Amino acid sequence: GQQLNQSPQSMFIQEGEDVSMNCTSSSIFNTWLWYKQDPGEGPVLLIALYKAGELTSNGRLTAQFGITRKDSFLNISASIPSDVGIYFCAGLHSTSNSGYALNFGKGTSLLVTP
Amino acid sequence: SQTIHQWPATLVQPVGSPLSLECTVEGTSNPNLYWYRQAAGRGLQLLFYSVGIGQISSEVPQNLSASRPQDRQFILSSKKLLLSDSGFYLCAWSVSSDTQYFGPGTRLTVL
Repeated sequence: GQQLNQSPQSMFIQEGEDVSMNCTSSSIFNTWLWYKQDPGEGPVLLIALYKAGELTSNGRLTAQFGITRKDSFLNISASIPSDVGIYFCAGLHSTSNSGYALNFGKGTSLLVTP
Repeated sequence: SQTIHQWPATLVQPVGSPLSLECTVEGTSNPNLYWYRQAAGRGLQLLFYSVGIGQISSEVPQNLSASRPQDRQFILSSKKLLLSDSGFYLCAWSVSSDTQYFGPGTRLTVL
């Protein structure tokens, strides 16, 4: 499947700082998704992007779908301790059996110190 | 509203034993269903997906299998577990090509 490259691999920041992470692909996706995963739990959807160039916000989170449909970034403003977790980007693609599947990046581990 | 359940939440099994993990979805009809495995807290790998009852597609070769006996039930099985089957197994659902929503996961440890 198409490989997603997510960076940075990890971030260690102080509370109140802004965070930026991004995801790139060699292939085009029609939908980009950003998830957050807390330890021992399933990923939770943060933002879904459906159109090239789309910029979407969800509270302190902002994500954009690149014009080429091969990249996306996620920004977190004024980070707080509960932002700690692993953030995944994912690209949605069609499968050979009329289904749809997600290709995931390897995740960005975020640590926030008070 | 839609909800997704997985059980058990945690499982410890000896090598060579069988496996059965269950996933059920409530509040939606004819969802697409997916099984993912996550190793070491990173990198989700798609194992199986299903677009309808009895329809299973496999993304990677392995000693696991999946079945969908009912519209909103998805089962992951193995006849003989390997050490390498240890990991965090996540079930997800979607409506057609829309966003996928994940269950709480099952932590499997094979000893």
